[in-house]
Amino acid sequence: QVQLQESGPGLVKPSETLSLTCTVSGGSISNFFWSWVRQPPGKGLEWIGYSHYSGSTNYNPSLDSRVTISVDTPRNQFSLKLSSVTAADTAVYYCVRDHKEVGDWHLDFWGRGTLVTVSS
Amino acid sequence: QPVVTQEPSLSVSPGGTVTLTCGLSSDSVSTNYYPSWYQQTPGQAPRTLMYSTKIRSSGVPDRFSGSILGNKAALTITGAQADDESDYYCVLYMGSGIKVFGGGTKLTVL
Repeated sequence: QVQLQESGPGLVKPSETLSLTCTVSGGSISNFFWSWVRQPPGKGLEWIGYSHYSGSTNYNPSLDSRVTISVDTPRNQFSLKLSSVTAADTAVYYCVRDHKEVGDWHLDFWGRGTLVTVSS
Repeated sequence: QPVVTQEPSLSVSPGGTVTLTCGLSSDSVSTNYYPSWYQQTPGQAPRTLMYSTKIRSSGVPDRFSGSILGNKAALTITGAQADDESDYYCVLYMGSGIKVFGGGTKLTVL
């Protein structure tokens, strides 16, 4: 069974860069797409973007200018960087595996999530 | 960016049937949007329920079913149970790997 675990600082100052890492166990990071999803307190889910193990990426247009997602194949990890954060970026951040095949693309395995608070 | 619409809240009696829908502001939802559904209870990570419109994820009971109803994707729960009380989110695939979440439906079983 694939398992995902987020890690990183729980508190980030405004205008700084939020950095999170997701460690994948129970399976290889190769041959898959990997996404980040976030959820502000009391609100709904928002897809942030994905990276393929090959390095190709795509991001939510509303976050595109601030987001970088990358895969570290030797470490079986992928990461999220979100720059110039504000209080609006306070959320639980989930790392998720994408399942893609002909006629389908959905999110299948989820991490437990990690709360990141933006505050001075 | 397209807006994916869901009922903000619904209620169902134990043993009853309820249908949650997932619409699109700018188009009719079809199987080409690869509708998927996720269940989330408070404090927990989402759980994948349904994908590719009507395929249940591993371990999901068959009282959950997916379909296209009219111009929307739909998730139907037949014989609702108390532990079905959750938030439910649909996701539509917009092409090029881009996915958009609906705002979520809070389902109450009472």
